[in-house]
Amino acid sequence: TQLLEQSPQFLSIQEGENLTVYCNSSSVFSSLQWYRQEPGEGPVLLVTVVTGGEVKKLKRLTFQFGDARKDSSLHITAAQPGDTGLYLCAGATGPGSARQLTFGSGTQLTVLP
Amino acid sequence: DAEITQSPRHKITETGRQVTLACHQTWNHNNMFWYRQDLGHGLRLIHYSYGVHDTNKGEVSDGYSVSRSNTEDLPLTLESAASSQTSVYFCASSDSGVNNEQFFGPGTRLTVL
Repeated sequence: TQLLEQSPQFLSIQEGENLTVYCNSSSVFSSLQWYRQEPGEGPVLLVTVVTGGEVKKLKRLTFQFGDARKDSSLHITAAQPGDTGLYLCAGATGPGSARQLTFGSGTQLTVLP
Repeated sequence: DAEITQSPRHKITETGRQVTLACHQTWNHNNMFWYRQDLGHGLRLIHYSYGVHDTNKGEVSDGYSVSRSNTEDLPLTLESAASSQTSVYFCASSDSGVNNEQFFGPGTRLTVL
């Protein structure tokens, strides 16, 4: 079983602060996705990174895929209360279109006004 | 608009009873997945299907079964519910392309007493 470890598990910060969430594994993934989940809802995709070393930006969110495609990070600049939620990383394995996702345990982010 | 729905949203049952959770998607996606979400474990894959009449076991498939008789539906059956199966269950679907996003339903909260 391929494991994805996320850290920290919980994070509570003040509005305007910066933060980084980490997603680590000993396994290589074909691609890695980040999802955000709000209470009572299913996860929603934020980004997919495919190439080792790839960096993608989504407004104040910056996602990076490690060079060896075993780890990833999510950095949020100037966090806002609307960023509050559960952030999940998910690594894709399997051939071609028959890929499955292995999810990390999640980081619960709370941004206080 | 295309969507993925789950029913019921909440279910309370007793140990030993058979329970079926419904999942219906109108995306016309070939791939469908069932996950359970528990605190500290993220999302764990139960069963998945890559098309009609195709089903595969995931990481935590014991005690669960699925069938795929059409593109739109993938019902999840708990043959004899156990207290350890108390969880939130999410259904997801995705297109067959590489790195495609998984679209999640709103979840079913199941309590087994």
